[in-house]
Amino acid sequence: QSVLTQPPSVSAAPGQKVTISCSGSSSNIGNNYVSWYQQFPGTAPKLLIYDNNKRPSGIPDRFSGSKSGTSATLGITGLQTGDEADYYCGTWDTSLSAVAFGGGTKLTVL
Amino acid sequence: EVQLVESGGGLAQPGGSLRLSCAASGFTFRDYSINWVRQAPGKGLEWVSFISDSTSETLYYADSVRGRFTTSRDNAKNSVYLQMNSLRDEDTAVYYCARVKGPQLASAYLDYWGQGALVTVSS
Repeated sequence: QSVLTQPPSVSAAPGQKVTISCSGSSSNIGNNYVSWYQQFPGTAPKLLIYDNNKRPSGIPDRFSGSKSGTSATLGITGLQTGDEADYYCGTWDTSLSAVAFGGGTKLTVL
Repeated sequence: EVQLVESGGGLAQPGGSLRLSCAASGFTFRDYSINWVRQAPGKGLEWVSFISDSTSETLYYADSVRGRFTTSRDNAKNSVYLQMNSLRDEDTAVYYCARVKGPQLASAYLDYWGQGALVTVSS
């Protein structure tokens, strides 16, 4: 069971917007920064968002991140079929002295 | 170009050992911390271990591997290692090494990942 909780799946139509939630506690999200990763089948994860809401170079502004209290959210606008992937949130858990990942959310673009 | 390349994966028997290597290039290796992250077949990401940069060489391990796995680094060879002992069926996974970016653990994130090495534990 993951320290961070994500919905197992989300779906939306092409061109629409979707949000993926990541819920934690004061020992992880509440007091540390959140990052998000995108993973296509058979490939390594890729950094999408860091420091709660910053995008690395090359990541389109269709992807956004936010954090409030002990929860974080990944937003994707203008959905494309190429966005179909698994998405993971991650952060440091101070109480566990461990990196915490969410269980992952599978995005389907209908 | 930043690159991380894992090697050493393969088949091991329960109770056996295996050593993974992660060779880094394209950046000043000694200045960066490295994480090992694994992914069992069809499952999500699971953090395994953290080794800090050369200033402190702090180590952290997941409860599931503490006492069985050991992470080390050789800055002269730009490499990080994961020595896995007392392997169990549930250690079967693709193992990734990933570079840690961020001034401190509270703001750390994984900006570059290797392609992964498959470890299969089976009799």
